[in-house]
Amino acid sequence: KNEVEQSPQNLTAQEGEFITINCSYSVGISALHWLQQHPGGGIVSLFMLSSGKKKHGRLIATINIQEKHSSLHITASHPRDSAVYICAVTSYNTDKLIFGTGTRLQVFP
Amino acid sequence: NAGVMQNPRHLVRRRGQEARLRCSPMKGHSHVYWYRQLPEEGLKFMVYLQKENIIDESGMPKERFSAEFPKEGPSILRIQQVVRGDSAAYFCASSPRLAVVYNEQFFGPGTRLTVL
Repeated sequence: KNEVEQSPQNLTAQEGEFITINCSYSVGISALHWLQQHPGGGIVSLFMLSSGKKKHGRLIATINIQEKHSSLHITASHPRDSAVYICAVTSYNTDKLIFGTGTRLQVFP
Repeated sequence: NAGVMQNPRHLVRRRGQEARLRCSPMKGHSHVYWYRQLPEEGLKFMVYLQKENIIDESGMPKERFSAEFPKEGPSILRIQQVVRGDSAAYFCASSPRLAVVYNEQFFGPGTRLTVL
């Protein structure tokens, strides 16, 4: 079993829909990250959080430390949001990231 | 302030050749991480370096792979005698690592290595 699990693996949506991507982890962590990777492109860090909730534009990330679960929400989705969204954690006392396998999101106009 | 730079962006090598991948961290960042993304797979940690020191190389294959981060110049990931299975995207990330607080890692654009 992977230490970081994401669901769903693939997600399609119509423009304007509200989207949720989930991440569960099984190790103690010092931080959780949400990353975005466009096809053939680099990786952009969207959020780093260790508690509570963060918001940036139409993106919201939440984390529940007790339940070892995080969610990434996209409000009013747009085709340009189409990308792979990756959840990663920094396990406690290390600096290396452990990655989920990613969620491939396609938003259609 | 330029972001993390990686070069080359694309690298083609024949089996048995050497591949050198370079990573220049963001200005002021003294910590570098290398990650590998195999085709259709997730990212995997390879090595974590500080200037002139390897902090954690638990993700590096035992043979043919080495990494360095000299006092001056970029971090280098070196793959000797490449094989087809080394074909992947290699990403570098850097962080400032201030005090004891965990710091965000900033990713470079990656080097896509193709072994023929």
